[in-house]
Amino acid sequence: EIVLTQSPGTLSLSPGEGGTLSCRASEPVNSNYFAWYQQRPGQAPRLLIYTSSTRAPGVPDRFSGSGSGTDFTLSISSLEPEDYAVYYCHQYTKSPQTFGQGTKVEIK
Amino acid sequence: QLQLQESGPGLVKPSETLSLTCTVSGDSITSASHYWGWIRQPPLKGLEWIGNIYYTGSTDYNPPLKSRVTISLDTSKNQFSLRLTSVTAADTGVYYCARQVVGGDYGAWGQGVLVTVSS
Repeated sequence: EIVLTQSPGTLSLSPGEGGTLSCRASEPVNSNYFAWYQQRPGQAPRLLIYTSSTRAPGVPDRFSGSGSGTDFTLSISSLEPEDYAVYYCHQYTKSPQTFGQGTKVEIK
Repeated sequence: QLQLQESGPGLVKPSETLSLTCTVSGDSITSASHYWGWIRQPPLKGLEWIGNIYYTGSTDYNPPLKSRVTISLDTSKNQFSLRLTSVTAADTGVYYCARQVVGGDYGAWGQGVLVTVSS
């Protein structure tokens, strides 16, 4: 299976700061089959980015995704209070589908 | 408006079978454009893909769970279901049902249901 490794495990940021989350795949992933999700405490995951760089409907433009091959990033510019959450990457290039272990974005 | 809602027992005894149902409103599970899937999350851990079903009844399961998992459709009720046999404490967690675009992402999720495996 394709293992997705996210870094860092925790990212401490102040409101208004920007940050970058990384997801590395154990083998190349088709960028058309790669997504990012946000999970706030007590809630279900919410799709943020699909096809590695397309924002889902309603997602603010402070979120952006990029990458190809084995390296993908999610960037958040100017953090808002509602952005403090756990973020997961997801590949559906090959079965079994897999998720990264998550990056927690916390208040600094 | 699309909604997915999980239902089922919150407590299951070890060695027994976990059974959950996802009721879909706002879309038909006979849609050729989507898969219907289950994802779980152990307490304080990440997401684990369980499997998907297509409207044809074709299924795809995560290999570590494949021998214990069955996902099925009930088109008359617009529901799909999960059965997981021989559960242990390691199967405790929140179970989500979700809709996946064919060749795409999980764009819609249920709110999740906590299932605890304990005697």
